[in-house]
Amino acid sequence: DAKTTQPNSMESNEEEPVHLPCNHSTISGTDYIHWYRQLPSQGPEYVIHGLTSNVNNRMASLAIAEDRKSSTLILHRATLRDAAVYYCIPQTSGSRLTFGEGTQLTVNP
Amino acid sequence: GAVVSQHPSRVICKSGTSVKIECRSLDFQATTMFWYRQFPKQSLMLMATSNEGSKATYEQGVEKDKFLINHASLTLSTLTVTSAHPEDSSFYICSARVAAGRGYTFGSGTRLTVV
Repeated sequence: DAKTTQPNSMESNEEEPVHLPCNHSTISGTDYIHWYRQLPSQGPEYVIHGLTSNVNNRMASLAIAEDRKSSTLILHRATLRDAAVYYCIPQTSGSRLTFGEGTQLTVNP
Repeated sequence: GAVVSQHPSRVICKSGTSVKIECRSLDFQATTMFWYRQFPKQSLMLMATSNEGSKATYEQGVEKDKFLINHASLTLSTLTVTSAHPEDSSFYICSARVAAGRGYTFGSGTRLTVV
């Protein structure tokens, strides 16, 4: 499994954009980059995933570096409900997800 | 969207007893499910991969005789913690992949407390 490096914690203000970085320099060429988030005492929730191109969905955007060694999850307007631990996970297609430590996002009102 | 229903959400059991946790895929078929364990202030740790109709694959260090996994149908996987002890107290979470090219969906988790 590719190793990931994420900041332990980040803070944002409500209604401002948030950029959550992730380094995955050992990612293989066919690994997808998944992002999940987990609220306290809940199971993780899928946010977004991509392979090479930037991806957008209703929750977030995923910007993937050209060399694929890093990616950034973008929440365009943070809300209090976005406060969670965010996990970046390189994943070989069809295989299990291996979770790292993630980034604890705090959103200030 | 695809939902994995996990029950119970909380369970307290006495030391030495067994506890069964169920995960059902509600609107899709899950040939493979994954079981995780999460201790307080830690990340999720994969315990085993459950395959419909065959034996589960356990991660290194996970006792297969203690954590019994059954995946008898395409919509149901169960984890039984046998002879539970206080150190087994944890948050157990199941997961399944909805379809190729899509993300994984997770159950809401089971908080197990062994007293």
